[in-house]
Amino acid sequence: DTAVSQTPKYLVTQMGNDKSIKCEQNLGHDTMYWYKQDSKKFLKIMFSYNNKELIINETVPNRFSPKSPDKAHLNLHINSLELGDSAVYFCASSHRQGKNIQYFGAGTRLSVL
Amino acid sequence: DQQVKQNSPSLSVQEGRISILNCDYTNSMFDYFLWYKKYPAEGPTFLISISSIKDKNEDGRFTVFLNKSAKHLSLHIVPSQPGDSAVYFCAASPYGGATNKLIFGTGTLLAVQP
Repeated sequence: DTAVSQTPKYLVTQMGNDKSIKCEQNLGHDTMYWYKQDSKKFLKIMFSYNNKELIINETVPNRFSPKSPDKAHLNLHINSLELGDSAVYFCASSHRQGKNIQYFGAGTRLSVL
Repeated sequence: DQQVKQNSPSLSVQEGRISILNCDYTNSMFDYFLWYKKYPAEGPTFLISISSIKDKNEDGRFTVFLNKSAKHLSLHIVPSQPGDSAVYFCAASPYGGATNKLIFGTGTLLAVQP
């Protein structure tokens, strides 16, 4: 049973479209994250939510809007997709207290044409 | 400004020998360090971690060493196995953990030759 699952695994779309990526964790964690891995393989934090509250927003364009309906889910909606949004997006989760060990999903490879 | 650096993009090692992966950081406020392993088309998997109050942590074939004065940590894998072939990311977490942000290095691709 997958601990952190994200869908879809692959997403190919045209510039200007709007798309969403979903993430769910069954680890009982209270904090969830979105990371972006760009073409240079650099893995960088985008957002973090704790108990549905936004706690990190790393100067990401406001075309990106995370939504956390509950602490087990964190979805990422992207408006007006641009070529530069092409990347692999990873969802992760952890307990906020204690050791900051984050558990990652398998990633969503987004290709904007 | 890259605060966590892995200067070796790749490393090739013979099966059974030691693999040493290195990581340097610049921010003295980092107090917790982690190593993740990543296979193609999968997410990073937690491997081992170390707190800044320690200089060594061992888990089976994996040992992480931390040199705070040099702002350097390393991951030793002994003996290396072909299944260890993957990209290894070093990550650091700032003191206090209020935001629980992990800052990653760019990764080192380890190839263990049979």
